[in-house]
Amino acid sequence: EVQLLESGGGLVQPGGSLRLSCAASGFTFSGYAMSWVRQAPGRGLEWVSGISGSGSSTYYADSVKGRITISRDNSKNTLNLQMNSLRDEDMAIYYCARTLAGVISYFDYWGQGTLVAVSS
Amino acid sequence: EIVLTQSPGTLSLSPGERATLSCRASQSVTSSYLAWYQQRPGQAPRLLVYGTSSRATGIPDRFSGSGSGTDFTLTISRLEPEDFAVYYCQQFDISPITFGGGTRVEIK
Repeated sequence: EVQLLESGGGLVQPGGSLRLSCAASGFTFSGYAMSWVRQAPGRGLEWVSGISGSGSSTYYADSVKGRITISRDNSKNTLNLQMNSLRDEDMAIYYCARTLAGVISYFDYWGQGTLVAVSS
Repeated sequence: EIVLTQSPGTLSLSPGERATLSCRASQSVTSSYLAWYQQRPGQAPRLLVYGTSSRATGIPDRFSGSGSGTDFTLTISRLEPEDFAVYYCQQFDISPITFGGGTRVEIK
């Protein structure tokens, strides 16, 4: 059974940093691209970033480029998202999602999400 | 980027009725690169349909997708109680990946 479990969310001040992680199980992690998708409170879905199975290719939404870094550790079946210079508008539930057919694709499995709150 | 506009914003229907959800793109989307998701309250999104019309694993056949170019539709033939949720379309034809704003299907 495919399982994705996010962690690392919490309350952070504007300008602060946070590192999210997603522990994957139930599939060959290195064989799949992975992504982060976020959802601000009461709002829709926004793709944030994606990474290839090997980790060699990464993609970012313009809204987070330069502030967020996606990475993965295939030896530990873990996906990471390093978030710096956080802004009010970054407050959201962050979901990790398995991505099919390439990094820019659709998402067949999602974690339950971790909440990032940005407030002074 | 491709903007996806979903309509209506809210659909009020009764169990057993047919639901028709629309997703319109600001420019043409290759049919293979259009997907639909369902999100129930307090839950993560769930993939329903990919490639415009292919149902994901375990999705009942009352869900069907259709369309081409800039106009796509998700149809739920007969609403079950568990189908009352928010539905999102998504395109990945042109980066960045974008989602529609969602259609809420509520119980009338």
